[in-house]
Parts: sequence; structure tokens; C-alpha cells
Amino acid sequence: SQQGEEDPQALSIQEGENATMNCSYKTSINNLQWYRQNSGRGLVHLILIRSNEREKHSGRLRVTLDTSKKSSSLLITASRAADTASYFCATDDSSYKLIFGSGTRLLVRP
Amino acid sequence: DVKVTQSSRYLVKRTGEKVFLECVQDMDHENMFWYRQDPGLGLRLIYFSYDVKMKEKGDIPEGYSVSREKKERFSLILESASTNQTSMYLCASSSGGGAWGKGYGYTFGSGTRLTVV
Repeated sequence: SQQGEEDPQALSIQEGENATMNCSYKTSINNLQWYRQNSGRGLVHLILIRSNEREKHSGRLRVTLDTSKKSSSLLITASRAADTASYFCATDDSSYKLIFGSGTRLLVRP
Repeated sequence: DVKVTQSSRYLVKRTGEKVFLECVQDMDHENMFWYRQDPGLGLRLIYFSYDVKMKEKGDIPEGYSVSREKKERFSLILESASTNQTSMYLCASSSGGGAWGKGYGYTFGSGTRLTVV
């Protein structure tokens, strides 16, 4: 069953612009994670935010979490062509496993 | 550099064959997972294991089994491959207490694209 749902499904921006992706989920969580997947490859863990945190930064990545709205956003600042990938949110609800959303496909045009 | 290694990047098998997908991690992780990824359906959990010889069904275990005889190795077995099992298979691992408590991310392998003809 899907827990996180990303929005938009696809996003196309110019290099240098910021990219924002959103994730909504349904049940209480311990933490929420964001992953990147380059075409045809495995997923790479980007950042984890715990349920008692509201914002987290890692390099050009900024993640926010609003547990009252059951939503999170991933902001990539000053995007580069190499950021072109699919981005997934995943929720940890203490059930021994992560549940992944369906992903946002990001295209950064040079 | 820590790694999760999947034995094959591409695999083509015939309907009815028994198929083994191997996954090895070198991080001494307790937890290991098998997902399949299909367009429009995202990642779906097939099986996971939180200890040697332990296994738990995920969301779509039908037609699959798993084996974890050693901590570092988690095998996915398709007992009798069918065309609807054509998919990208992803193995992942995480450290103990991981997903349900201490909040560590997963490390994924590069994936095995299986085609059943």
C-alpha cells in the first residue's frame, strides 16, 4: 500500500532554478526519508527527518516536515543537470519497513 | 565504500524456470529487503529479514520466497517464473533498530532487471 504520495509526478526546470517536490502521507510516522534514483539504477538515500524535527538541510537540499498536515517537501536549490532523476519520499511508521511513494521525475534542462 | 551488491544487472529467464536473485551487503546490517519496482506502481516490498534465518512477508510475497542463511546474504527466489514477474528488483539493507526506531536510511543495490519470456 502506498503511504507517501509525491507531487508533482513530473517537473521540468532550467538549470540554476530551484526545484520543490512535495510528499503527503496518511498515518503517524517516526521519520520520513527522501531518496534519489537515477535512470535504471538503485535508490540513493538523501536525507532523513524525524517526526520531532521541522526542517533539515544537507548541502543544496532542504527538507521540511509538517506532521499536522502529514506532508513534507524537498527543495533542491540552484539545480544542476546532474540532479535529473526521480525522487521518492519514504515513511517509517514503526512497522519494520519503509513505504515508498510513487516518485517525482525531475528534469533539469541545461 | 559500503555496498549492497546484486549479482546481475540484467537477467532473461524462461517461464517456469526457478530464478535466484542474490544480494550481498558488506556493512554488517541486520535488516535486508527485497522490493520490485514497476512503472506506475512504485516500489513494492516483497520480503524482508531482520536477522539471520528470519523472514517476513511484505506486501506482495506471492510467487516468491527468500533465504537468509548468512547475515550478509539475502536471496530472492522465484519458484516458477512467470511473465508478470518481469520487473526491476531492488535489494536494500539497513542497520539494526533501523526503520522502526533509530531512523537509519536504506542502502540499495543497483538493481536487477529481470525479463521473463
